[in-house]
Amino acid sequence: EIVMTQSPATLSVSPGERATLSCRASQAVSRHLAWYQQKPGQAPRLLIYDTSSRASGIPARFSGSMSGTDFTLTISSLQSEDFAIYYCQQYSDWPLTFGQGTRLDMK
Amino acid sequence: QVQLQESGPGLVKPSETLSLMCSVSGGSVNSASYFWGWIRQAPRKGLEWIGNVFYNGDTKYNPSLNGRVTISLDTSRNSFSLTLSSLTAADTAIYYCARLRGTTVTFDFWGRGTPVTVSS
Repeated sequence: EIVMTQSPATLSVSPGERATLSCRASQAVSRHLAWYQQKPGQAPRLLIYDTSSRASGIPARFSGSMSGTDFTLTISSLQSEDFAIYYCQQYSDWPLTFGQGTRLDMK
Repeated sequence: QVQLQESGPGLVKPSETLSLMCSVSGGSVNSASYFWGWIRQAPRKGLEWIGNVFYNGDTKYNPSLNGRVTISLDTSRNSFSLTLSSLTAADTAIYYCARLRGTTVTFDFWGRGTPVTVSS
């Protein structure tokens, strides 16, 4: 199984600043990587698919990139509603696997 | 707009079998463009994929569940179901149903989740 490792576990950033979240795959997944946002008491929401394509209705401040097996989610200017937990997911191979999550806290 | 709603018991005894249903509205489970899946989240933990069912009834399951899982479609009810047998406390979690985009195998619409506790 492909193991997804996210870092850091917790990231503290001030509103208006940039946040950079990382996800590393244990083997190549091509561009088959998605990002989700989860707020307390809610289901996850799809943000990014195919590494860098925004899902419907997702603001342009969310962007994704990759370098080899390292993937990055960048939030360019944090809004209050962006403080949440973020998960990456690979869909290059079965079983589908998620990272353990990065909690984005307000500084 | 697609909507999914989970239903089932909130409390199940150890060694018993869990059965959950996901009712779909605003879209058809017969569509070849989408898959239908289950994901769970144990308390204060991350997301674990359980399995998918395809429009033709084919399935994919997470091997970590050791053959305890069955997912099936009910086209007459426009729904799909999850059965998980031989339950232990480690199966206590929020169970989500979701639609997967066929082109990218990502979860684009989710139910609100249903909590399941395994306890005697």
